[in-house]
Amino acid sequence: QQQVKQSPQSLIVQKGGISIINCAYENTAFDYFPWYQQFPGKGPALLIAIRPDVSEKKEGRFTISFNKSAKQFSLHIMDSQPGDSATYFCAASKEGFKTIFGAGTRLFVKA
Amino acid sequence: KAGVTQTPRYLIKTRGQQVTLSCSPISGHRSVSWYQQTPGQGLQFLFEYFSETQRNKGNFPGRFSGRQFSNSRSEMNVSTLELGDSALYLCASSPSPQESETQYFGPGTRLLVL
Repeated sequence: QQQVKQSPQSLIVQKGGISIINCAYENTAFDYFPWYQQFPGKGPALLIAIRPDVSEKKEGRFTISFNKSAKQFSLHIMDSQPGDSATYFCAASKEGFKTIFGAGTRLFVKA
Repeated sequence: KAGVTQTPRYLIKTRGQQVTLSCSPISGHRSVSWYQQTPGQGLQFLFEYFSETQRNKGNFPGRFSGRQFSNSRSEMNVSTLELGDSALYLCASSPSPQESETQYFGPGTRLLVL
């Protein structure tokens, strides 16, 4: 009940294309779903996050879509750029409890 | 404001040795969490400290331990190192456990066990 399943493991997208990464969780107690971006040699950094009371959140080229009934959420990166090439982690958490991370998706955007 | 700092950044040890890693959280942050990151397992939660007390612990053997000091700085120790302990160890800080949803990560300590 503590798992967060993330797919795909890796993704190659053409510059200007849409990158889509999916995650599924099991524990309905989770109420906060962040996405982290990690560049080589750096720690993960918060990119965007959503709570289950909304179905979509957009910040610039990054959008989270959330499906509470299916217990799934996804990250969409519009107009993907080579600078977006990084590893992306989804996560699920609840205040005061440990955060559970997905296994990560390595994104490569071809110029 | 300075970010989370971790020392050392790189470490090479041999099996059976022990290692101590250090983490200084963002100024004013009192909650510190540790994660192990490996290519196969992703980010695995080790433990969380607040006010010098361990609040949560992940599913790791007792060889992994930690502590937090009164200035919120934290250390983690791994005794009797095994080859499988080779990983990137990440420290993350947040203002308090009630605000632990958003964590700020340090650059990590890359440990190689030979």
